[in-house]
Amino acid sequence: GDSVTQMEGPVTLSEEAFLTINCTYTATGYPSLFWYVQYPGEGLQLLLKATKADDKGSNKGFEATYRKETTSFHLEKGSVQVSDSAVYFCALSDRVSTLTFGKGTMLLVSP
Amino acid sequence: GAVVSQHPSRVICKSGTSVKIECRSLDFQATTMFWYRQFPKQSLMLMATSNEGSKATYEQGVEKDKFLINHASLTLSTLTVTSAHPEDSSFYICSAGGQGRETQYFGPGTRLLVL
Repeated sequence: GDSVTQMEGPVTLSEEAFLTINCTYTATGYPSLFWYVQYPGEGLQLLLKATKADDKGSNKGFEATYRKETTSFHLEKGSVQVSDSAVYFCALSDRVSTLTFGKGTMLLVSP
Repeated sequence: GAVVSQHPSRVICKSGTSVKIECRSLDFQATTMFWYRQFPKQSLMLMATSNEGSKATYEQGVEKDKFLINHASLTLSTLTVTSAHPEDSSFYICSAGGQGRETQYFGPGTRLLVL
């Protein structure tokens, strides 16, 4: 079945550091890939997405590229801010409207 | 953006009682709503998918008689945990979807503690 594996956290960084959160997946067919973010006390929000191989999703300075050859969708940001502290979920959708999530990675950014 | 609310945000109940959790789409009509369960440091696990006016579709291993889902309108779905036991303690999250694989809007979750 479908699955998503992402690096365990917490990831602790200083402000303005470079961020990478690794995500790999297994799926049948050609899934769409997503990153969701959950700020403390709030629901999940879609951060970015990519629907086919080599697509790059980007939003709020975050980027992720759909790599079919390595089945990966790593999340990156060049310079993190304290306000980026949250839990990040990698997810895929291999069926209409159904999402499979990774376990989530907590990011803690200190001033 | 679309807003989804859940009520209550936290609930503590005694073993054997039933608990109802509401999920509402506040500013759009949701043809499909999803219920997830999240254990500490674990993924969100899809429990069931409900479509307005029809029976919910449960994922394998989820007891439909234990977790009753009703999607009576385009803005409201309810999850009732019947005869709750301590192992049902968890974080329950709903989402509401429209068209397309990416258009799911998530509620803030409900934390259930069964004593």
